[in-house]
Amino acid sequence: AQTVTQSQPEMSVQEAETVTLSCTYDTSESDYYLFWYKQPPSRQMILVIRQEAYKQQNATENRFSVNFQKAAKSFSLKISDSQLGDAAMYFCAYRKDQGGSEKLVFGKGTKLTVNP
Amino acid sequence: GAGVSQSPRYKVAKRGQDVALRCDPISGHVSLFWYQQALGQGPEFLTYFQNEAQLDKSGLPSDRFFAERPEGSVSTLKIQRTQQEDSAVYLCASSLFLENQPQHFGDGTRLSIL
Repeated sequence: AQTVTQSQPEMSVQEAETVTLSCTYDTSESDYYLFWYKQPPSRQMILVIRQEAYKQQNATENRFSVNFQKAAKSFSLKISDSQLGDAAMYFCAYRKDQGGSEKLVFGKGTKLTVNP
Repeated sequence: GAGVSQSPRYKVAKRGQDVALRCDPISGHVSLFWYQQALGQGPEFLTYFQNEAQLDKSGLPSDRFFAERPEGSVSTLKIQRTQQEDSAVYLCASSLFLENQPQHFGDGTRLSIL
């Protein structure tokens, strides 16, 4: 079974600084997707960024970027120029590549605090 | 609406009561997922629908949990004879049945069993 591990229960960063959240996963599949979701206190899961395993290039979305190391099964999220609105729980998630029918497997999350 | 809608937002029930949680997915989304999120944890998969067909219910924790999507749109998650360990946030997500399409989540229902 696939597992996702987030080893940092909590992280903090100063506003405008950069922070990196760690994620490792375990799978025997060669094709899969990886995601970072943000969950503010409102509870809605918001997709931050995603990476297809077959792509070597790391995904970027504005201030958010990932460092995807397939051999090491590592998928970290870097947030640049942190803003107060970035404060939330961040979940790393894995999904097998089998069309739209595959469930997400989540890590336990990292709580990010942004200090003004 | 444009997003996934879940109701009620909060539900309090006494142990032993039955509850029903509703999910209204994004129009046209074939795939629908239910997840359970315990306090301080990541969501865990419960069940999956493709249109009205329940193709995966491997995550349902017991036979007290039942889900349906009779017309391939709105889904209901029912929990019978609730127990305290059922207290959690229940999240619904929907997606297009296409490779590379992300799941879109609702705000969830927070269920508290007294």
